[in-house]
Amino acid sequence: DTGVSQDPRHKITKRGQNVTFRCDPISEHNRLYWYRQTLGQGPEFLTYFQNEAQLEKSRLLSDRFSAERPKGSFSTLEIQRTEQGDSAMYLCASTSYNYGYTFGSGTRLTVV
Amino acid sequence: QQPVQSPQAVILREGEDAVINCSSSKALYSVHWYRQKHGEAPVFLMILLKGGEQKGHEKISASFNEKKQQSSLYLTASQLSYSGTYFCGTERGSTLTFGKGTMLLVSP
Repeated sequence: DTGVSQDPRHKITKRGQNVTFRCDPISEHNRLYWYRQTLGQGPEFLTYFQNEAQLEKSRLLSDRFSAERPKGSFSTLEIQRTEQGDSAMYLCASTSYNYGYTFGSGTRLTVV
Repeated sequence: QQPVQSPQAVILREGEDAVINCSSSKALYSVHWYRQKHGEAPVFLMILLKGGEQKGHEKISASFNEKKQQSSLYLTASQLSYSGTYFCGTERGSTLTFGKGTMLLVSP
């Protein structure tokens, strides 16, 4: 297993456009997380899946954000009508119960 | 509910020791520690579970005081490769809340 893969690595988009990111977790892990990180800050929780079920979503998360994990495998995070404040590194992580998270390399989003 | 880390930054010479602290105002199930180098993803170092179980790195140790909701990460005989930003993550449900990080710089 090669770890957690995220695609694309970088995305530049114009304000108002929709973007979608993909995460392929470690296959043995049943939990998948999306976090957002801005410069000088720790990762901020966005949403969490156990298998295909989305079990928790940050109360701070705008309705413009949606995530899916069909069949409990890869996951996608979509941001609709992007705003400049959405510019950040979007990190995906997977884990099993009572183990550390394995993070992907992230997708750096720049909204211009 | 974000855990508070201290200090914000540490500068060491190679071979010196450092302690990074993490405290929470809420009761915790576990504490995680991660190291992130510039431009890279956070890398898992250690997890400390309620009840005393620890899993993680061979050369780095940590403590977890459940009553005080505090954890400390001990870096001994630091190496140049220890440089980076250290984050603690505190778990109450099934998700981690990360602190703002402690920047560690180890110089020759």
